[in-house]
Amino acid sequence: GESVGLHLPTLSVQEGDNSIINCAYSNSASDYFIWYKQESGKGPQFIIDIRSNMDKRQGQRVTVLLNKTVKHLSLQIAATQPGDSAVYFCAERSGATNKLIFGTGTLLAVQP
Amino acid sequence: NAGVTQTPKFQVLKTGQSMTLQCAQDMNHEYMSWYRQDPGMGLRLIHYSVGAGITDQGEVPNGYNVSRSTTEDFPLRLLSAAPSQTSVYFCASSLNEGAAFFGQGTRLTVV
Repeated sequence: GESVGLHLPTLSVQEGDNSIINCAYSNSASDYFIWYKQESGKGPQFIIDIRSNMDKRQGQRVTVLLNKTVKHLSLQIAATQPGDSAVYFCAERSGATNKLIFGTGTLLAVQP
Repeated sequence: NAGVTQTPKFQVLKTGQSMTLQCAQDMNHEYMSWYRQDPGMGLRLIHYSVGAGITDQGEVPNGYNVSRSTTEDFPLRLLSAAPSQTSVYFCASSLNEGAAFFGQGTRLTVV
């Protein structure tokens, strides 16, 4: 039969607080990582990326941290706003296969 | 510059019917891919292509075919639709070393 969809992990934060969304990746050969934001009814939207030769990269209000030792990726959003409410996905790519593989996603709910 | 364009946006099929989901990009990207997204889940890779004439299987390729005759277009064919293929389908393109840009999706229902 068909598989049942899983409930997404949810992070609920107050408007103005900082948010931290975590992601564990599986392939130690992955050399490129991306965070995407997906709003309801829309396609994933690129937020920020990082290559494996870096451990931190900053954008506008967002920071990505990479810990290759424990295969962990995080997205930090400063001063979270209601417009940040969405599902956030991390994705990893291995240079050997060039496939982009997505994690299951985290729902960020911003409370006014 | 339209980015990645998918058609149709919505489609209802009967079990056993075949159809093609269209995807076109105008960014001259070498890499294109198809994903499916089921409720409450992440995106799963169906097929991908690293350039015209080259395609390969992703995580869930069964029941789908692709071809890449031009750099711009990467159609996804459902050979004989099944209810398990009810999903939202996303096409994406990228330069080989860069982030993927996604279309707005095709919502497919198989009854």
